[in-house]
Amino acid sequence: DVVLTQSPLSLPVTLGQPASISCRSSQSLVHSDGNTYFYWFHQRPDQSPRRLIYWVSNRDSGVPDRFSGSGSGTDFTLKISRVEAEDVGVYYCMQGTYWPPGYTFGQGTKLEIK
Amino acid sequence: EVQLVESGGGLVKPGGSLRLSCAASGFDFKNAWMSWFRQAPGKGLEWVGRIKRKIDGGTTEYAAPVKGRFTISRDDSKNTLFLQMDSLKSEDTAVYYCTTEGGSWGQGTMVTVSS
Repeated sequence: DVVLTQSPLSLPVTLGQPASISCRSSQSLVHSDGNTYFYWFHQRPDQSPRRLIYWVSNRDSGVPDRFSGSGSGTDFTLKISRVEAEDVGVYYCMQGTYWPPGYTFGQGTKLEIK
Repeated sequence: EVQLVESGGGLVKPGGSLRLSCAASGFDFKNAWMSWFRQAPGKGLEWVGRIKRKIDGGTTEYAAPVKGRFTISRDDSKNTLFLQMDSLKSEDTAVYYCTTEGGSWGQGTMVTVSS
């Protein structure tokens, strides 16, 4: 099965500074239809997850433009240009290219303010 | 505005059953593929299963840990999604979320499987 590995797992960041999270897949996430079904989610403490990015680099409605997604094949990155207090929480990457097993997630990266 | 409201969670004994519901509004439910996800206490996110829209066959797919025990269904006339959970195990203890294939999420409903 495809495995997603995130790094780092813990990310202390100073307010206003940039942050970057990596997600590496054990197999290429390019689907046979040419699309790459790769996503990023953010979950604040005691809240439901929220999708930030779909198909590698497309921001969902209402997501601030300080969030950006990039990558291809097996290596993907989520960048926050300037971290704000509301960005704390856990970030997950997810793939939807391989069926089965269906949607699978990385372990999560916990972002905290230094 | 998309709204997804889960209900039906609670405490159930191992081997028991529970049926979760998700009331959807604010979007064209009958034309949406829908998924259930879950999150065990203090753990990461896990996909449970999904159901396609009827014109795509209305077929269902499940994650390996729940296949054969959980059943997803939908009532498009009532804009409601269901998750029937049978033969529950302690490892099924989690918050269960209804989603539009990950795009929009409900607030979740807690399921605790314990004797």
